[in-house]
Amino acid sequence: QSALTQPASVSGSPGQSITISCTGTSSDVGGYNYVSWYQQHPGKVPKLMIFDVSNRASGVSNRFSGSKSGNTASLTISGLQAEDEADYYCSSYTGSNPPYVGFGGGTKVTVL
Amino acid sequence: QLQVQESGPGLVKPSETLSLTCTVSGGSISSSSHYWGWIRQPPGKGLEWIGSIYYSGNTYYNPSLKSRVTISVDTSKNLFSLQLSSVTAPDTAVYYCARHAGYSYGRYNFYYYMDVWGKGTTVTVSS
Repeated sequence: QSALTQPASVSGSPGQSITISCTGTSSDVGGYNYVSWYQQHPGKVPKLMIFDVSNRASGVSNRFSGSKSGNTASLTISGLQAEDEADYYCSSYTGSNPPYVGFGGGTKVTVL
Repeated sequence: QLQVQESGPGLVKPSETLSLTCTVSGGSISSSSHYWGWIRQPPGKGLEWIGSIYYSGNTYYNPSLKSRVTISVDTSKNLFSLQLSSVTAPDTAVYYCARHAGYSYGRYNFYYYMDVWGKGTTVTVSS
């Protein structure tokens, strides 16, 4: 059972925008601006896309953006491209005692 | 460019201890700005954070695995290691090591995002 809740799948047509949600609690997503997002293509290593809720990692396209409202963080992909088809995972610092890092269950993005 | 690389047995018997090493190259594990940690991914499933360690030896573990996990560091060899005891079939996964980045404010550490990943190593638990 994942610490954070993501939709299993999201799809969109090329050029469209899609948003992936990541719902946690006040102990993780809602309590800290320490949310990150990772992209993983099949058989490949996860790649950091977003950190600190909305900061893009080095070399990441500005078509990817992150935001947060309350206990839910979101990753938006604008101008959807075929190469964006992948699994996406959110992650958050969890301020329990002791603290740890939690992941969402992952979202499969399909480009129609 | 900093790189991390996992190594260790690909097959472990049930009830035994899984042991993996992550070697850091192109940089120092004694960085004051990073933790170093492990993440795993069972076949066809999502990512699970295992734990992380600072060069001083301070560790954080996933509560669900804490009773079976030990992460250690060897600064002289620029590597850190994972031991997972009493393994069973559900521990079969690709194990990744990764550099953790973040922030420190006094005694509070927030090294939570993974910016450099290893290629991963597959570990199968089977007799």
